[in-house]
Amino acid sequence: GQQLNQSPQSMFIQEGEDVSMNCTSSSIFNTWLWYKQDPGEGPVLLIALYKAGELTSNGRLTAQFGITRKDSFLNISASIPSDVGIYFCAGQESGTTYKYIFGTGTRLKVLA
Amino acid sequence: KAGVTQTPRYLIKTRGQQVTLSCSPISGHRSVSWYQQTPGQGLQFLFEYFSETQRNKGNFPGRFSGRQFSNSRSEMNVSTLELGDSALYLCASSSQGEYGYTFGSGTRLTVV
Repeated sequence: GQQLNQSPQSMFIQEGEDVSMNCTSSSIFNTWLWYKQDPGEGPVLLIALYKAGELTSNGRLTAQFGITRKDSFLNISASIPSDVGIYFCAGQESGTTYKYIFGTGTRLKVLA
Repeated sequence: KAGVTQTPRYLIKTRGQQVTLSCSPISGHRSVSWYQQTPGQGLQFLFEYFSETQRNKGNFPGRFSGRQFSNSRSEMNVSTLELGDSALYLCASSSQGEYGYTFGSGTRLTVV
């Protein structure tokens, strides 16, 4: 099935460090979403982006909708142990409705 | 308000059997989507229902089917189970016009 390219696949960081991850697509997207999934649970929506160039924050999280509409970035500042989990980007392709394509995920591990 | 409820949480079935998974969306949400999550393939879109109508469908074989009832609750059925159907099946709901989903905790299906 179709998926977005998300990188990095996994990362170990020290508590207090900043984290960056990104998502790219070969096609144009209308909407970008970022989710976090904890073990044994469903993904939880962190940030939603609706237009090109948009920069949105949610606490220590900041995400941007790329100007080309083919990419998005998520930054986490001053990471803490509870940031551990898998982060997914998701997008809705231009010309499609009622369906989101998900990235392959970035597994984040924070070392105290 | 109550979240998205999926039942059962865990299920073990034998190859060749069929299985039905249930999803109760957030009250007032009329759109229900289903995803299959596996380690190798990530989250793959199965289908989306709104007001008892399937509006979009992913690239899965006909063994995977779903339906939505008038109260917006949804069921997903997989017939003639194969080992490769072992996965976490996630249901997500949203209200019309709202971007992004709220996911349930999923049903972990193991086919032996």
